[in-house]
Amino acid sequence: KQEVTQIPAALSVPEGENLVLNCSFTDSAIYNLQWFRQDPGKGLTSLLLIQSSQREQTSGRLNASLDKSSGRSTLYIAASQPGDSATYLCAVRPRRYGGATNKLIFGTGTLLAVQP
Amino acid sequence: GAGVSQSPSNKVTEKGKDVELRCDPISGHTALYWYRQRLGQGLEFLIYFQGNSAPDKSGLPSDRFSAERTGESVSTLTIQRTQQEDSAVYLCASTNRGMNTEAFFGQGTRLTVV
Repeated sequence: KQEVTQIPAALSVPEGENLVLNCSFTDSAIYNLQWFRQDPGKGLTSLLLIQSSQREQTSGRLNASLDKSSGRSTLYIAASQPGDSATYLCAVRPRRYGGATNKLIFGTGTLLAVQP
Repeated sequence: GAGVSQSPSNKVTEKGKDVELRCDPISGHTALYWYRQRLGQGLEFLIYFQGNSAPDKSGLPSDRFSAERTGESVSTLTIQRTQQEDSAVYLCASTNRGMNTEAFFGQGTRLTVV
């Protein structure tokens, strides 16, 4: 059974700091991994999608890496800003799940607070 | 449409009443997901639709929950005889055809059962 873990559960950093969020998954048989942010009381906003054949993806100040064999992904945020404060979620799409579907399996998230 | 649209954004209902939540996926997206997020908790899978295939209902928590989707368009999640433990944010997502595509979420419906 695929399980996704995110560490740390919460993180507080001063503005301008570079930071790394971690995502671990137990089964390397995945199609892709996606990072989202969720603002309080809101839905999820997609940040980056990494295919299983890729090692990393970049979007602006965000860089996500994927090491499928070790079951790890990291989200690197450069020069953090107060507007980056949110909960960050990672999700994997299993290559097989009960042979019937390929739903997204989510981690429990990292709550990030960037202090001005 | 430009994104996944959910309605209503907020719903307060009395215990025992039925509720219907609506999701309009991105036009052309064949797959649609419903998730539930209780306060302070992670996303809990409910149901998955892919085109005209039989839906994966393995996440529905009880027979009070059901969902329908007509073709590749709108989906409705129905909760009958609501209970207080049903209070949560219900999130809908859609993806394009294929497994290596990005999932896009709506803003959710916040359901409060009083």
